[in-house]
Amino acid sequence: GAGVSQSPRYKVAKRGQDVALRCDPISGHVSLFWYQQALGQGPEFLTYFQNEAQLDKSGLPSDRFFAERPEGSVSTLKIQRTQQEDSAVYLCASSVGHWRGYTFGSGTRLTVV
Amino acid sequence: GQQVMQIPQYQHVQEGEDFTTYCNSSTTLSNIQWYKQRPGGHPVFLIQLVKSGEVKKQKRLTFQFGEAKKNSSLHITATQTTDVGTYFCSGATNKLIFGTGTLLAVQP
Repeated sequence: GAGVSQSPRYKVAKRGQDVALRCDPISGHVSLFWYQQALGQGPEFLTYFQNEAQLDKSGLPSDRFFAERPEGSVSTLKIQRTQQEDSAVYLCASSVGHWRGYTFGSGTRLTVV
Repeated sequence: GQQVMQIPQYQHVQEGEDFTTYCNSSTTLSNIQWYKQRPGGHPVFLIQLVKSGEVKKQKRLTFQFGEAKKNSSLHITATQTTDVGTYFCSGATNKLIFGTGTLLAVQP
């Protein structure tokens, strides 16, 4: 597609519920990134894929967070047993290369109640 | 760990005034990227600087990369209301780390 597509746009989850956030990157972009952005803060790195390989997951806050990109295109960020501190905007970005400019999606705003 | 700090956190200017935000990294960067995020929006890529001492211009915006590749600045000449938003620098070592951002408010 023309841009990075993320769904859902908004998600309200009850504490303890599992959620799955989807990212559809720009076609042909080999690099895909997930960031977490709290209100009034800059995006915080979560994880990075090159094609289907997850090369860096050092930013994932806990083992409740899991990301995959099985066919090197669409990616899913899964959060198990959501907690209130997981409430944030989750941004996905893709790029033609690791050190080229990123194109961000509109994000998924997750609210855990 | 690597940190990227920006100053000021917030700047309020009158339309037509100039604006500068400064970015400092605790480590040497392979490149630096600048993004703009409008309120309620997502970050939009503006530019990438790679070379030590590099200066790039985009209309009223001037971007500079420090000689030591640890700092950068963004200068906007004659601000307009459309410049409103948060400007983030992001530095690359082994991953892209975003700065704390500078929120620019422009009063007409």
